[in-house]
Amino acid sequence: AQSVAQPEDQVNVAEGNPLTVKCTYSVSGNPYLFWYVQYPNRGLQFLLKYITGDNLVKGSYGFEAEFNKSQTSFHLKKPSALVSDSALYFCAVSPNTGTASKLTFGTGTRLQVTL
Amino acid sequence: NAGVMQNPRHLVRRRGQEARLRCSPMKGHSHVYWYRQLPEEGLKFMVYLQKENIIDESGMPKERFSAEFPKEGPSILRIQQVVRGDSAAYFCASSPRQTQETQYFGPGTRLLVL
Repeated sequence: AQSVAQPEDQVNVAEGNPLTVKCTYSVSGNPYLFWYVQYPNRGLQFLLKYITGDNLVKGSYGFEAEFNKSQTSFHLKKPSALVSDSALYFCAVSPNTGTASKLTFGTGTRLQVTL
Repeated sequence: NAGVMQNPRHLVRRRGQEARLRCSPMKGHSHVYWYRQLPEEGLKFMVYLQKENIIDESGMPKERFSAEFPKEGPSILRIQQVVRGDSAAYFCASSPRQTQETQYFGPGTRLLVL
C-alpha cells in the first residue's frame, strides 16, 4: 500500500523568505510524485511532478521540489515566498508501473505567507 | 481548451435522496478519476474509469455509490439514499493516456446532506 506523510499542518513564512513544505512517501518500487495547490473553494491545481530523471524538478509559479530516494522525500521549495502563495498544498504519490493509477494524497499543509 | 468541468458546483440533498454528480473531462482525455475530500482532510481516491469501463473501484463504498463513464457524455457519480456522512467535496480528475500522466482536477461538487 502506498502512503504520503505531510508532517506539518501549517507552515508560516514571511514574504520574501524561502519556504519549504515537507513530504515523505511510501510506495512499492519507484514512485511518481506530485504537488498540487488548492485555493479556498477551488479544485486542485497541478504544480509539478517527478517521474524520472533529474532529482530537482521545477514547476509553476517558481516552485521546485527535490526527489530524495534514500530519504523517500519530495519536499516543495520556493526561494522567495509571496503572500499570494498562501494556500493548501498537497503531496501525492502513485506507483511507477507504466500505467495510469490512482493518486494517494497527504493530508495537506497550509502555507501562510505574511508581510 | 476547457478544463475539467463539474456540475453542479453545489448540491443540497435531504437524507434518503439521490445525488448525481457530473464530470466532463478535458478534451482528448479518456481517463477519469473521482476523489472525495472530507472537511479538513486530504483527498481520498474513490474510482478510476475509462470509457465504458471501471478500471479500479477500490475506494468506493460497497453500498449506495456507483460510477459510470459512458461512451457519450459525462462521467456520473451517483449516491443513493444519501446520509449526512456523505457531505463532502467530490472532485473529478482526468488524464489523457494510459501511462501515468498528470491528473487535472475540476472545481469540485460540494455536497451538503441535511
